[in-house]
Amino acid sequence: NAGVTQTPKFQVLKTGQSMTLQCAQDMNHEYMSWYRQDPGMGLRLIHYSVGAGITDQGEVPNGYNVSRSTTEDFPLRLLSAAPSQTSVYFCASSYVYGSQGPPYEQYFGPGTRLTVT
Amino acid sequence: KNQVEQSPQSLIILEGKNCTLQCNYTVSPFSNLRWYKQDTGRGPVSLTIMTFSENTKSNGRYTATLDADTKQSSLHITASQLSDSASYICVVSARNTDKLIFGTGTRLQVFP
Repeated sequence: NAGVTQTPKFQVLKTGQSMTLQCAQDMNHEYMSWYRQDPGMGLRLIHYSVGAGITDQGEVPNGYNVSRSTTEDFPLRLLSAAPSQTSVYFCASSYVYGSQGPPYEQYFGPGTRLTVT
Repeated sequence: KNQVEQSPQSLIILEGKNCTLQCNYTVSPFSNLRWYKQDTGRGPVSLTIMTFSENTKSNGRYTATLDADTKQSSLHITASQLSDSASYICVVSARNTDKLIFGTGTRLQVFP
């Protein structure tokens, strides 16, 4: 059971380039999400998915796209990288989405450190 | 606006000592509060999750408390170890949005 995996671990892009950050989980979790972590700020939600075929925007979605074709995978695409997207990106997953029932554990991946020059 | 504030921003203690980290939140209506540990270069790992009805929860040497009336939580670390050096993040979930609101964390350094 690998949990949540992310690739690559490090990436350097030039402004205007595009790339996809990969995220996969092997826990059969319905809910997956992408966050970015910047110095002096809390993690901010970029996009999330409550199941295969369903995605929605989070707090800071501009410049990013996502898709969820399978339960396991939730890639994050940077369309045209900008220096403001320099950050550490974390993918997370949990069994259910929502706070109506008991809160389920959210598992985070190891992160991708992205630098845009 | 839903916010989570943590104090202190950073803390240095000697190995074997105890410490307490604070979290104040303005999230309403409250659903649950989580404490995460994040080692340098790694993703956050959950320590505790507390709902409205819980006012204390332990995980080994980590004990979290919650006062939903004053909207405050604390994380107490007993007999600190070098491996406790990390950032500790307080996260609050609001019932109406189901989103997690993250604090900026407390950076703890434990020295021998």
